[in-house]
Amino acid sequence: GQNIDQPTEMTATEGAIVQINCTYQTSGFNGLFWYQQHAGEAPTFLSYNVLDGLEEKGRFSSFLSRSKGYSYLLLKELQMKDSASYLCAVRARDSNYQLIWGAGTKLIIKP
Amino acid sequence: DGGITQSPKYLFRKEGQNVTLSCEQNLNHDAMYWYRQDPGQGLRLIYYSQIVNDFQKGDIAEGYSVSREKKESFPLTVTSAQKNPTAFYLCASISGALSNQPQHFGDGTRLSIL
Repeated sequence: GQNIDQPTEMTATEGAIVQINCTYQTSGFNGLFWYQQHAGEAPTFLSYNVLDGLEEKGRFSSFLSRSKGYSYLLLKELQMKDSASYLCAVRARDSNYQLIWGAGTKLIIKP
Repeated sequence: DGGITQSPKYLFRKEGQNVTLSCEQNLNHDAMYWYRQDPGQGLRLIYYSQIVNDFQKGDIAEGYSVSREKKESFPLTVTSAQKNPTAFYLCASISGALSNQPQHFGDGTRLSIL
């Protein structure tokens, strides 16, 4: 079956860099999405990876290794507003191409 | 502006009552989804629809029902058979199920039991 693992919680300092990891086990991988979700709000899209390598978007980057079933989200120059949960979601053939979501990583930014 | 509108924002359900959550989109998207989110957990798929007049059960469909009579609308009914309905409900849409575009979300409905 499908399984997605992310750390439950991470803490980082304002201005620093943090890496949030996501590992998955699926059959027929078809894409990985990262979303940001502030408490009580809907998720908002951050990045999409379908091929191996790094995708960069401003302060946020996402990396994928399909052979290792591994992705990470890298956040640079952390700001207080980056305090949120970060959700990893995978689309695969064995989920009938519907997204399977990790439980999310709660990121706490300290001054 | 194009987007997804969910209503109401907050909803309270009495024992034995069915309630319906509204989801409307003006993005001309074919596929629509309903998710449930419990505290500290990821999103779980309740139902999805890839085209008008067709829908499929997700992982936790028991106690829920949907309809897709119009492309723009995908209402979710939480029936009395759903014994633990308290959760945050999110509706999403996408142009096509295999699109590399992300799912767009509404602002959510928070459902509680009275």
